[in-house]
Amino acid sequence: DSGVTQTPKHLITATGQRVTLRCSPRSGDLSVYWYQQSLDQGLQFLIQYYNGEERAKGNILERFSAQQFPDLHSELNLSSLELGDSALYFCASSPGADHSGNTIYFGEGSWLTVV
Amino acid sequence: LAKTTQPISMDSYEGQEVNITCSHNNIATNDYITWYQQFPSQGPRFIIQGYKTKVTNEVASLFIPADRKSSTLSLPRVSLSDTAVYYCLVGTRGSARQLTFGSGTQLTVLP
Repeated sequence: DSGVTQTPKHLITATGQRVTLRCSPRSGDLSVYWYQQSLDQGLQFLIQYYNGEERAKGNILERFSAQQFPDLHSELNLSSLELGDSALYFCASSPGADHSGNTIYFGEGSWLTVV
Repeated sequence: LAKTTQPISMDSYEGQEVNITCSHNNIATNDYITWYQQFPSQGPRFIIQGYKTKVTNEVASLFIPADRKSSTLSLPRVSLSDTAVYYCLVGTRGSARQLTFGSGTQLTVLP
């Protein structure tokens, strides 16, 4: 158990809909990272928040947005969903603004299926 | 950002030593090499990190030659539970650039 909690674990929704994925980081961690993993794209970095502020941005679509709240939990909002958005979405956390490789911990992911 | 190249897949047998090599010809002076392990439907997990020569911990060893253009993850005496995808990442320690995973190496350990 990494200490990073993601909900829901599984989600099935229709095209065009909007969903919200939630992440609670490890106790004391200030950074939250979001990743998308699909069969054809591998593990892709989406975005990082540090203490409520956006820190780094990766391959995140404009239809997707994220935020980190004062209690440090984070939400990833996916809208106008397409079939290709079906993937496993991971959240990770680390103590500081950056990590040294061994201080980033991943949750078990949220499976999103768009039908 | 240093691009990495790894074999797509490898097979091994229980009890054998497995070596997975990663090429990173454009590694920068400040870059570290980090390896992660990922089981199906789980997030990646840190295995080992190094800058040069050899690093060893309780689960693996990492060999880095003097030119640092490649690195080798060594897993001693693998078991069936070591079947996973192994990712090699290269980047400045703590940099957001380090957050991009390549395609990894699928290691399958056979009985």
